[in-house]
Amino acid sequence: SAVISQKPSRDICQRGTSLTIQCQVDSQVTMMFWYRQQPGQSLTLIATANQGSEATYESGFVIDKFPISRPNLTFSTLTVSNMSPEDSSIYLCSVGRGRNTEAFFGQGTRLTVV
Amino acid sequence: DAKTTQPTSMDCAEGRAANLPCNHSTISGNEYVYWYRQIHSQGPQYIIHGLKNNETNEMASLIITEDRKSSTLILPHATLRDTAVYYCIVREGTGGFKTIFGAGTRLFVKA
Repeated sequence: SAVISQKPSRDICQRGTSLTIQCQVDSQVTMMFWYRQQPGQSLTLIATANQGSEATYESGFVIDKFPISRPNLTFSTLTVSNMSPEDSSIYLCSVGRGRNTEAFFGQGTRLTVV
Repeated sequence: DAKTTQPTSMDCAEGRAANLPCNHSTISGNEYVYWYRQIHSQGPQYIIHGLKNNETNEMASLIITEDRKSSTLILPHATLRDTAVYYCIVREGTGGFKTIFGAGTRLFVKA
């Protein structure tokens, strides 16, 4: 298993500002991912965080809006930039160790933009 | 990754078995079937996964049809704490590690 710690657990932010969310894993993992879950909806994959290189973004998500860092095999950050109320969501970090293995999820960061 | 189809919601009486179906008719030979659940206000929790054989663990059983076009997750003795959204996901086992979520099934366990 993997224990994932996300910080902050929740925040209320002013529109136009940015928030950086941290994801710390208790052991080295191959893959790290970031998801968004809008109110009442399922999870949507934002990007794959690649260690030592630029993240791989899914359709509809861009680096300028959601810059991601992954400096090592246990840590990643997601920044939500120039926030608007439409960015109010839960943001979740997920990790995986490779093929034929399950993914593990953090408890999420509940973001409200006012 | 292949897409899945699940009922929007289901009810189950406490103590009875909950059988959650999933259709994945376009699944390819190297794709696994995974099940996760999300209890309100928590991150998704892994339940079980399989390729073509039936699987069982301490949480649930996974029954995959012989043609692999559908599967059923069985919670043998549902409790109120099993009330959650259950996601059936097919994922490539040889390289693509992304987990793509559909809408899932909202299971209500009633006393």
